[in-house]
Formats: sequence, structure tokens, C-alpha cells
Amino acid sequence: QKEVEQNSGPLSVPEGAIASLNCTYSDRGSQSFFWYRQYSGKSPELIMFIYSNGDKEDGRFTAQLNKASQYVSLLIRDSQPSDSATYLCAVNRAGNQFYFGTGTSLTVIP
Amino acid sequence: ETGVTQTPRHLVMGMTNKKSLKCEQHLGHNAMYWYKQSAKKPLELMFVYNFKEQTENNSVPSRFSPECPNSSHLFLHLHTLQPEDSALYLCASSQGRLQSSYNEQFFGPGTRLTVL
Repeated sequence: QKEVEQNSGPLSVPEGAIASLNCTYSDRGSQSFFWYRQYSGKSPELIMFIYSNGDKEDGRFTAQLNKASQYVSLLIRDSQPSDSATYLCAVNRAGNQFYFGTGTSLTVIP
Repeated sequence: ETGVTQTPRHLVMGMTNKKSLKCEQHLGHNAMYWYKQSAKKPLELMFVYNFKEQTENNSVPSRFSPECPNSSHLFLHLHTLQPEDSALYLCASSQGRLQSSYNEQFFGPGTRLTVL
């Protein structure tokens, strides 16, 4: 079983719509969760992190965490063509062990 | 700019060459990481240093040799690599609080390595 699983996509949404990206993880001891955006040929850029159950909002981005279901999601409201990228979900147990999913490719269609 | 720099950005080497990748962070962090990113695969954690001490080595072949002289600098020494080692090598840093999971990682731009 993979530590972190994401649907690889591609996910296509029209400009202005809500993009919903999902991630599940296997270790119930995981404590913190991260979303990275990676443009083609570039390195991952941290866009959101969440530690507690519930929602966390930052501008057009909302991260949602449900530890009972071992599920974390990222919502992007008012999607823009510049949001087109691969989104990586990452999970951290205590200490320095981070696990990444394979990423979901998002395309926002003008 | 994330405060993490990597050099070189691109590297082409033969299987018999020896080369080194360099990473430097200006964030005051105490933990530094090397990752390998290959196409269609998750980021693979290779090595972790916390306060200059290696804390993780995820079964990486000995042809990859890390060095961490201080909390701001990290090297990856490469020797007799194979073509399948061609990938994007990413350096990252974090606060490195071992007793806490509140350790956001910040990545450098990466080194695109091609082994001929």
C-alpha cells in the first residue's frame, strides 16, 4: 500500500470553476499535511499546510483534513489558467520523514 | 525564491565521472534533505540531515554520497552513476524540529541530471 495516494488525472476544469484535488494516506500516525504546486520543469512550491481536522482557507485555496477518513483535499476557487500545474500531496509523521504522492495534473481551460 | 539555492541547475555526466551537487539554504533551518524526482514516480526521499547529523538514509546506493558540513550547506557527491539515475535532484530544508511535525519544507530549484 502506498503511503500517499492521489489521482494522477489529468483533471480539467473551465476557468472560474472550482478545482477539487484529493489525497489519501495510509499511516494514522501522520500529523501534518502539505500541498505543493509544481509547474513543468520547476521545483515544488508550498501552497498550503494543515495540521488539524477541518478546513483552512488561504485566498482562493482551501485545504480540508479528515483524519478519521485519512483524507486531505485541496479546493481551488475561481480557477485561473495560471493554476495549471501538478499538485503534490505530502504527509509528515513526527520528525523528518515526508511522503509524497505522485501528483495530480490540473489543467484550467480558458 | 524560496531561500534554497542549488548548483548546478543542469548536469550531464558520463558513467565514470565524479561530480557534486551543492545546496545552500538561507532560512536559518536545521534540517536539509535530498530528494530524487523521476518521471511518473513520487518524490523519493534520499537523505536527511538534522543539525548536521544524518538521520535518514533510505536505502540509497553507495554511488550517492551526501555531505553536510554545516546546517546551511548540503552536498551530494556522485560517482559511477547509471543512466537510470538521470532525474531531477531536489534539495529542501525545514526547521527540523524532531519532536514536532510542524516542519514545512521548502525546495530549491533542483538539478536536472543526465547520465550518459
